[in-house]
Amino acid sequence: DVKVTQSSRYLVKRTGEKVFLECVQDMDHENMFWYRQDPGLGLRLIYFSYDVKMKEKGDIPEGYSVSREKKERFSLILESASTNQTSMYLCASGRRGYGYTFGSGTRLTVV
Amino acid sequence: TQLLEQSPQFLSIQEGENLTVYCNSSSVFSSLQWYRQEPGEGPVLLVTVVTGGEVKKLKRLTFQFGDARKDSSLHITAAQPGDTGLYLCAGEGSGYSTLTFGKGTMLLVSP
Repeated sequence: DVKVTQSSRYLVKRTGEKVFLECVQDMDHENMFWYRQDPGLGLRLIYFSYDVKMKEKGDIPEGYSVSREKKERFSLILESASTNQTSMYLCASGRRGYGYTFGSGTRLTVV
Repeated sequence: TQLLEQSPQFLSIQEGENLTVYCNSSSVFSSLQWYRQEPGEGPVLLVTVVTGGEVKKLKRLTFQFGDARKDSSLHITAAQPGDTGLYLCAGEGSGYSTLTFGKGTMLLVSP
């Protein structure tokens, strides 16, 4: 089975800190996504990548950046964390037309 | 941004009842996926449908992709408490377009 591993299940960070969320997949997938999930708003796409060093903005990229230096790893960076970035962050990987595998999520709290 | 509307938002039923969840859009999708998510976890892929009119069955779950590839439905027969969870539909557009999610249907099946 495909495994998508997110580095932390729970994180607490202070306002203004730079935060790194890591996602690693073990199936050589081209496509990787970062979403945030909030009650009443569903899953919203932050960034996605369809190849190494390729990245595309999703619906809500402001305040975030990403890095994909190796195919298996897709990192989400909060440049200067703010309280409105408190959320559940979900990473997914897969191939078009075949469905995607999600990590278990990182629940980030910014205080 | 392609939008997916799911209905109903919330469904509370008794064990043994049947139910249908709908996923509608004005956009055409190259594939449509259904996921189930439990609290605190990432979504888990149930099925991917790619052909207009396609019907797939997964035990008591039946998935249908509309002829025009703009909508889909999930039917559960004889629901069980283990079916409780958040059901999400997600559409994949053409080319390098992204994976867009509906806001989900929260299903609660009581014994």
